[in-house]
Amino acid sequence: EVQLVESGGGLVQPGGSLRLSCAASGFTFSNNWMSWVRQAPGKGLEWVANIKRDGGEKYYVDSVKGRFTISRDNAKNSLDLQMNSLRVEDTAVYYCATDGGLSYWGQGTLVTVSS
Amino acid sequence: DIQMTQSPSAMSASVGDRVTITCRASQGISNSLAWFQQRPGKVPKRLIYASSSLQNGVPPRFSGSASGTEFTLTISSLQPEDFATYYCLQHKSYPFTFGPGTKVDIK
Repeated sequence: EVQLVESGGGLVQPGGSLRLSCAASGFTFSNNWMSWVRQAPGKGLEWVANIKRDGGEKYYVDSVKGRFTISRDNAKNSLDLQMNSLRVEDTAVYYCATDGGLSYWGQGTLVTVSS
Repeated sequence: DIQMTQSPSAMSASVGDRVTITCRASQGISNSLAWFQQRPGKVPKRLIYASSSLQNGVPPRFSGSASGTEFTLTISSLQPEDFATYYCLQHKSYPFTFGPGTKVDIK
């Protein structure tokens, strides 16, 4: 059974940083692209970033370019999202998901950016 | 960026109704289109991939079709558990983009 468990969310002030992690199990992690998707409170879904199987390619939505960095550790079956220079508008539930087509999702972790 | 529009944005329907939701892409995306269901307070769940392939475990009352840049999700006979918000996603080119969602509630 595919399992994705996010962690690392919390309350942070504007301009601050957070690092989200996603622990994966139940599938061959190294064979899959991985993605981050977010959902602001009461809003729709927004794709944030994804990363190739070997970490060699990374793509981001424009609003996070230069501030967020996606990475992975295939030996540990883990996916990370380093978020710097956080803004109020980054407040959302962040989900990790498998592959480009987002086949499976984790339960999400809430990031709140507020002073 | 490829823009995804959905119609309607919301609808009311009854159990047993046939429901159709449309998603339009601003440019060609081949069949790189998926549909997701999100029940209130729950995690999104993929229903359809490659525009018309049913995800394992999803009831066959759900189906997807495509015509050019127009994609359709059909629920043949709405069930109580289908009241939810539905999103389309294009993953043909970056940045991937979701439609704004269609909320289906009880009439």
